[in-house]
Amino acid sequence: KAGVTQTPRYLIKTRGQQVTLSCSPISGHRSVSWYQQTPGQGLQFLFEYFSETQRNKGNFPGRFSGRQFSNSRSEMNVSTLELGDSALYLCASSFAKPGTDTQYFGPGTRLTVL
Amino acid sequence: AQSVTQPDIHITVSEGASLELRCNYSYGATPYLFWYVQSPGQGLQLLLKYFSGDTLVQGIKGFEAEFKRSQSSFNLRKPSVHWSDAAEYFCAVGARAAGNKLTFGGGTRVLVKP
Repeated sequence: KAGVTQTPRYLIKTRGQQVTLSCSPISGHRSVSWYQQTPGQGLQFLFEYFSETQRNKGNFPGRFSGRQFSNSRSEMNVSTLELGDSALYLCASSFAKPGTDTQYFGPGTRLTVL
Repeated sequence: AQSVTQPDIHITVSEGASLELRCNYSYGATPYLFWYVQSPGQGLQLLLKYFSGDTLVQGIKGFEAEFKRSQSSFNLRKPSVHWSDAAEYFCAVGARAAGNKLTFGGGTRVLVKP
C-alpha cells in the first residue's frame, strides 16, 4: 500500500507570495492532519480535516488555511508569506477514529521563504 | 492543555550499548502516547504506541517503551543500538478529546559512536 505522499517536496518562495501544498493520504484514510516543523518551535499542529470538514485547528494565524477534497486529498495554503513560515510541512493521515487511530506521516514539503 | 517534555536534547551512545530516551507528559485524562523517529530529510516513522492495556509496549526495530502513570512518563528503550538508529526521536501525546491532534515533545537527537 502506498504511503502518504506530499508535493512538492521542496519549494522556494519570496515574502508576500502565497503557496499551496498538497497531500495524498494512504488509500482508505479519511483524516488528514497538517503539522509545521521548525528548529525553534518544533512540531506544531496546524489543522485536521475529515470528510471535507475542518475538525480541529491549532494556534496559527488565518493566513494558514486548508481544505480537503472528496477523495480525501488535502491542500494547505499559506498567503502573504513571511520569513518565519520557512519550515518543513508534514501531512499525516489516519482512518477516522479521533484520538485512537495511528497517524502516518508523509516525507514533508520543505518551504523556504526568501 | 497537553504538553510533552523530552529532557535530553542530544544523546550520544556507542554502538551496541543500550539506549533510553525520556518522555514526560502532562494531561488530565488517560493519554494516548506515541514515539516517532525522524531521519534527516525524512518524515516521521511510528516506532510504537500506547492506547491502553499492557504498559510495556513493543515496537519496530527492537524498541520498547513503558507507560508509568504515576510518573507521567513514557520512556523509550533499546537494548543494543545500531549505527542506523542515529536519528531524532519524538514523543507525542494525543487524546480522544483532542481528535487527531498530536502534541509533540521537542525531540532527542541520538548520535551513535562506532
